[in-house]
Amino acid sequence: SQTIHQWPATLVQPVGSPLSLECTVEGTSNPNLYWYRQAAGRGLQLLFYSVGIGQISSEVPQNLSASRPQDRQFILSSKKLLLSDSGFYLCAYARGLYNEQFFGPGTRLTVL
Amino acid sequence: AQSVTQLGSHVSVSEGALVLLRCNYSSSVPPYLFWYVQYPNQGLQLLLKYTTGATLVKGINGFEAEFKKSETSFHLTKPSAHMSDAAEYFCAVSDRGSSGSARQLTFGSGTQLTVLP
Repeated sequence: SQTIHQWPATLVQPVGSPLSLECTVEGTSNPNLYWYRQAAGRGLQLLFYSVGIGQISSEVPQNLSASRPQDRQFILSSKKLLLSDSGFYLCAYARGLYNEQFFGPGTRLTVL
Repeated sequence: AQSVTQLGSHVSVSEGALVLLRCNYSSSVPPYLFWYVQYPNQGLQLLLKYTTGATLVKGINGFEAEFKKSETSFHLTKPSAHMSDAAEYFCAVSDRGSSGSARQLTFGSGTQLTVLP
């Protein structure tokens, strides 16, 4: 069976500090991978998606970046965090003909 | 372009009452439709999906949804609410994708369901 992991679960960072969030998937190969953000009281915003190693598509211009160094690893990064980067970050993978997406447990990021 | 509208950002029902969460979509092609549930500080969990075939689909936890093409709707229902159903619910529509790109889900803004004792 497939599982998806995210870490850390929670993170408190000062403004201007760097960020690295990691997502890994087990039990499947060549998945499509996604990063979403949920700001307080708002829906899901797609940030990045990837169809393969080294292939990243950005949906929203911002100070975040993503990388996919391995088939089942997806990393979200920032060189300098902003207050507006606070939120709940969700990683997801997709499988199957109908793009069912399966979500990780999320990372709660607070930027102070 | 696709869009999803969930009417009612907050819905309250009494325990044992019918749950009805509304979802309408717009899509230029027949869509794939999904409902997800999110409990506090957790990821989203797939409740059910419509792809093709039978328009009434059943999911986990006693939920079901009916695809109505003429109404462009995919409302979520449960005959009898349970306290454990309190959560946020998201409706989503998937595009059909294109060569070299991943299919994407477009999510509604979510409906927070409160179940009153």
